Amino acid sequence: DVKVTQSSRYLVKRTGEKVFLECVQDMDHENMFWYRQDPGLGLRLIYFSYDVKMKEKGDIPEGYSVSREKKERFSLILESASTNQTSMYLCASSPGTGYSPLHFGNGTRLTVT
Amino acid sequence: SQKIEQNSEALNIQEGKTATLTCNYTNYSPAYLQWYRQDPGRGPVFLLLIRENEKEKRKERLKVTFDTTLKQSLFHITASQPADSATYLCALDPSGGYNKLIFGAGTRLAVHP
Repeated sequence: DVKVTQSSRYLVKRTGEKVFLECVQDMDHENMFWYRQDPGLGLRLIYFSYDVKMKEKGDIPEGYSVSREKKERFSLILESASTNQTSMYLCASSPGTGYSPLHFGNGTRLTVT
Repeated sequence: SQKIEQNSEALNIQEGKTATLTCNYTNYSPAYLQWYRQDPGRGPVFLLLIRENEKEKRKERLKVTFDTTLKQSLFHITASQPADSATYLCALDPSGGYNKLIFGAGTRLAVHP
């Protein structure tokens, strides 16, 4: 089974801090994704990457950046955390071919105070 | 912009009955649609994928239909069990195969003994 591991289940950070969320997948998938999930809004795509060192903006990239130096690892960076970035962050991966399901990690619940 | 709507109210049904969840979308003609299950505090888990040329797809007690004219997918769970209680998300891919899924907000299903 594909395993997508997010480094932290819960994080509490202060406004203005730089925050790193790490995600690792073990199935050699080309595509990796970062979503945030908020009540009533569903999952919204922040960034995705379809290859090492490649990245594209999703629907809500403002305030975030990403890094993919190795195929298995995709990091989400909050350059200066703000309270409106308090959310559940979900990482996912999928093979490069189309029509493939996403495999999600169990999420990181980030609280910015 | 593309929009996916799922019934935001929780669906409460009795054990043994069939649960039917609805997913409507606008401003898009997806080649396929996916359904996921999400338990509290966990990431979504893929259940079924249905392509635009498939009217119906089945997997054990699950059935999905896809009506591209109505722009609607229905998700059925027959002989429902309390263990089926979860939030169910539908998702479609507007990116032409990069798996950049957009998700509905989900419908919470509660199956009562």
